[in-house]
Amino acid sequence: QKEVEQNSGPLSVPEGAIASLNCTYSDRVSQSFFWYRQYSGKSPELIMSIYSNGDKEDGRFTAQLNKASQYVSLLIRDSQPSDSATYLCAVTRAAGNKLTFGGGTRVLVKP
Amino acid sequence: GAGVSQTPSNKVTEKGKYVELRCDPISGHTALYWYRQSLGQGPEFLIYFQGTGAADDSGLPNDRFFAVRPEGSVSTLKIQRTERGDSAVYLCASTPQGGRAGTGELFFGEGSRLTVL
Repeated sequence: QKEVEQNSGPLSVPEGAIASLNCTYSDRVSQSFFWYRQYSGKSPELIMSIYSNGDKEDGRFTAQLNKASQYVSLLIRDSQPSDSATYLCAVTRAAGNKLTFGGGTRVLVKP
Repeated sequence: GAGVSQTPSNKVTEKGKYVELRCDPISGHTALYWYRQSLGQGPEFLIYFQGTGAADDSGLPNDRFFAVRPEGSVSTLKIQRTERGDSAVYLCASTPQGGRAGTGELFFGEGSRLTVL
């Protein structure tokens, strides 16, 4: 079992719709959770971080965390073609520890 | 430049050769990470430095891989006797000390694409 699992996709959504991405993790000690966006041929960039159970909203992005279920998700509202990218889920145990990434979900937003 | 700088951006080598990849982190960032990313996969952790010392090298796949950061700034990833399976993009990332360290806000370089023929 991989430490961080994501559906590889592609997840195809029409422009203006909501894209819903899921991630599960195996290490129960994980404390911090992140979503990175990676455009083709580029390096990952942080878009969301979440540390406690519940929802966290930032613009069109909402991260949701459920530690009991070891599940974290990302919603992208009003999806735009510029959101087409691979979204990487990452987790870490604590400050000063390594980040473990999932395999990423490729999102395609069609005009 | 203000970002993480990695050289070379592309490296093509033959099986069995020795390769060095260099990372120059953002000035003042004390933590430095190396990851490896194969096509269609997420970044795979290799090693993490806090200052000059390797805080966690559990991701290095075998003893052909070695990394140093002698002055706590620039880091070099060294790969001996390269194999075709080493072909990947090698990503370096840095993060400042203190509140941000380990919080997940890694600043990545553009990577070094290694191709082993």
